[in-house]
Amino acid sequence: KQEVTQIPAALSVPEGENLVLNCSFTDSAIYNLQWFRQDPGKGLTSLLLIQSSQREQTSGRLNASLDKSSGRSTLYIAASQPGDSATYLCAVCNTGNQFYFGTGTSLTVIP
Amino acid sequence: NAGVTQTPKFRVLKTGQSMTLLCAQDMNHEYMYWYRQDPGMGLRLIHYSVGEGTTAKGEVPDGYNVSRLKKQNFLLGLESAAPSQTSVYFCASRLAGTYEQYFGPGTRLTVT
Repeated sequence: KQEVTQIPAALSVPEGENLVLNCSFTDSAIYNLQWFRQDPGKGLTSLLLIQSSQREQTSGRLNASLDKSSGRSTLYIAASQPGDSATYLCAVCNTGNQFYFGTGTSLTVIP
Repeated sequence: NAGVTQTPKFRVLKTGQSMTLLCAQDMNHEYMYWYRQDPGMGLRLIHYSVGEGTTAKGEVPDGYNVSRLKKQNFLLGLESAAPSQTSVYFCASRLAGTYEQYFGPGTRLTVT
């Protein structure tokens, strides 16, 4: 069974700082990995999706990398802003139909 | 487009009562999912559907049933609610051949 872990569980940084969120998974036979953002009391919003054949994806200030062989992904956020405060979740898909989620990293960006 | 909508947004049930949660999507997506989110557990898949008339079990299916009679709707049923089913329930959908999931706003269910 796929296990997905996210470290740290919570992170607090001053505005403007660059930061890295980590995601690790136990079964490297994945189709893809997806990063989501969740605001309090809301649903999930997809940020980036990396196919298993890709090493990274970028969207604006966000960059996600994937190292399948080591079972790791990182989400890099450049020049953090208070509006980036949210919970960030990663999810892996390794059957084509089912997705396994980590427990998330709660990010607070202090103005 | 409304995207993915969920009805109701909040519900309180007594142990043993039944209810149905409705998920609707207007994006003509083939795949639909029901997840539950509990503190410290992340999202866990309950049931999913790869198309109209088909459903499959996910990671935590016990105590739940689902139906997909129409492509745009995916219903999650609790026949006899238990306090362990207190959770936030999310529905998601995606287009076949792609993997980006679109989530609804969630239903907060409390079973007393």
